[in-house]
Amino acid sequence: GNSVTQMEGPVTLSEEAFLTINCTYTATGYPSLFWYVQYPGEGLQLLLKATKADDKGSNKGFEATYRKETTSFHLEKGSVQVSDSAVYFCALGRSNTGKLIFGQGTTLQVKP
Amino acid sequence: EAGVAQSPRYKIIEKRQSVAFWCNPISGHATLYWYQQILGQGPKLLIQFQNNGVVDDSQLPKDRFSAERLKGVDSTLKIQPAKLEDSAVYLCASSPQPGDQETQYFGPGTRLLVL
Repeated sequence: GNSVTQMEGPVTLSEEAFLTINCTYTATGYPSLFWYVQYPGEGLQLLLKATKADDKGSNKGFEATYRKETTSFHLEKGSVQVSDSAVYFCALGRSNTGKLIFGQGTTLQVKP
Repeated sequence: EAGVAQSPRYKIIEKRQSVAFWCNPISGHATLYWYQQILGQGPKLLIQFQNNGVVDDSQLPKDRFSAERLKGVDSTLKIQPAKLEDSAVYLCASSPQPGDQETQYFGPGTRLLVL
């Protein structure tokens, strides 16, 4: 079946450090891939997405590339800020159903 | 534009009691979703509505959970009777287009604690 696996958290970084949060997936066919972010006390927000292999999604300095050969969609940012502290969820979905399958989430803590 | 509204934000009940959650989606959004997010896990879809019809309820524990979306707008999710393992955050989301899941907009959630 379809599933998403993320790296365990929490991830603790100093401000301006480089961020990588690993995400791998198992799916039949060609799903779309997403990163959602959940700031403290708020709802989930779409951060970025990619709909086909080799697509790169980007937003707010974050990037992720859809790698079909490694079934991965790792999230990266070159220089994190304290305001990036949140829980990050990787998800896969299919446009014909609207159903999203989420990973377990990775907590990012950025210290000044 | 107002976001997805949910109430209550927090609820504490004892096991075997009943509880209901309410969701008001973004105006005009045809598709509404209820997710269950257990602590330390990602959200899991419970039920998906398209207007006032059910599209997918395969993950809904129908012996105790029920949901409705009257008139294709607001929705309520009910648990009766609640179990300890139902402690979770219940998220409501809506999207404007059928099957266009990348534009799901999430509410702040209702945090349920069952004692």
